[in-house]
Amino acid sequence: EAGVAQSPRYKIIEKRQSVAFWCNPISGHATLYWYQQILGQGPKLLIQFQNNGVVDDSQLPKDRFSAERLKGVDSTLKIQPAKLEDSAVYLCASTLRISPGQVMNTEAFFGQGTRLTVV
Amino acid sequence: DAKTTQPNSMESNEEEPVHLPCNHSTISGTDYIHWYRQLPSQGPEYVIHGLTSNVNNRMASLAIAEDRKSSTLILHRATLRDAAVYYCILRDVIGRSSNTGKLIFGQGTTLQVKP
Repeated sequence: EAGVAQSPRYKIIEKRQSVAFWCNPISGHATLYWYQQILGQGPKLLIQFQNNGVVDDSQLPKDRFSAERLKGVDSTLKIQPAKLEDSAVYLCASTLRISPGQVMNTEAFFGQGTRLTVV
Repeated sequence: DAKTTQPNSMESNEEEPVHLPCNHSTISGTDYIHWYRQLPSQGPEYVIHGLTSNVNNRMASLAIAEDRKSSTLILHRATLRDAAVYYCILRDVIGRSSNTGKLIFGQGTTLQVKP
């Protein structure tokens, strides 16, 4: 079974430039997450999708970050314009569909991440 | 989501057992205890999860205290490839306390394995 695919693996940009990351989740996984991991910290959720709808984007800096999952499969995360503090690893994860009342006895699968350096 | 407390770092010798503790004193009755680990330059990967009873799989064992306020991840024979950050995470029923199913990561425990 193919895992969660992310690209690119590495990206270096100058501040105020824009950048986009791509994620292809595991086939059949309706729920998709984007996490930001700053060096030395645990991952922090940016946005969660269920199919093509947003479930939670409370931690997404919406003035510069945007994300979409138009057909409920692939997703892109964009930063425009980038700041120095956006330097981090951006992780995509997916899991099977989540429903109200569901007990959390399923696992999430993560991609290898995209390491962004803003200079 | 209820919080967990883990030591920042631990050391182990290769081929010896490792016990990674996690405290979760405010755990609810419906919280599952999940463990993930993150190898260097990789995304987190699932290790094991449990609710009340001890659990075993090919990677590790999970020992859950009777009052569920703490748990221990057990690696039976540590190898150099087990050097990673280990995260203990509580996951509640979807919809309880506004839970959407997301994983909330703390700092985790950085495990060093010495040859």
